[in-house]
Amino acid sequence: QKEVEQNSGPLSVPEGAIASLNCTYSDRGSQSFFWYRQYSGKSPELIMSIYSNGDKEDGRFTAQLNKASQYVSLLIRDSQPSDSATYLCAVNAGYSTLTFGKGTMLLVSP
Amino acid sequence: NAGVMQNPRHLVRRRGQEARLRCSPMKGHSHVYWYRQLPEEGLKFMVYLQKENIIDESGMPKERFSAEFPKEGPSILRIQQVVRGDSAAYFCASSPGQGQELFFGEGSRLTVL
Repeated sequence: QKEVEQNSGPLSVPEGAIASLNCTYSDRGSQSFFWYRQYSGKSPELIMSIYSNGDKEDGRFTAQLNKASQYVSLLIRDSQPSDSATYLCAVNAGYSTLTFGKGTMLLVSP
Repeated sequence: NAGVMQNPRHLVRRRGQEARLRCSPMKGHSHVYWYRQLPEEGLKFMVYLQKENIIDESGMPKERFSAEFPKEGPSILRIQQVVRGDSAAYFCASSPGQGQELFFGEGSRLTVL
């Protein structure tokens, strides 16, 4: 069974700090990796996708992938209170569907 | 609005009734996925469809649940004889191709009394 694990949190960081969110996955054949943000009562919103080892940067967000260690992370620089949400890691092993982790709640305090 | 459209946004049903949830994918997308999310839990895959075909229904309960994506019109998730445990948020997502990123609709929140 394909599994995606995330620390449920909450992860609390002060405004302006770097938030680091981590995710591990069980299927070594996984090929595509995604980070979604979900505000309470809202739908998941795609933030980043990453397909190869290394870092991928987009504005304040950096996704990091290490296939050998089977982990993917999301760094949020200069965290803002508006970043407070649940962050979902999703993995696709080349099959038809994305498998989601349960998410990490991030709280950014002013 | 070119996004994924779901309706109804909120649906209340009594035990034993039927619930029908509809989803129109993003323009240009022919791949539709249904996920269920219970409070404090993650997104659970239910079914993956392309036009007129069910590709993967491994996450769908064997009874009472069905899904379709006809040649014309939206995808429909149908829950017959609803029970209280069916109360959840049901999200539809679409993608431009298999294995690619998913774009979610706003969800349909089902409450079973």
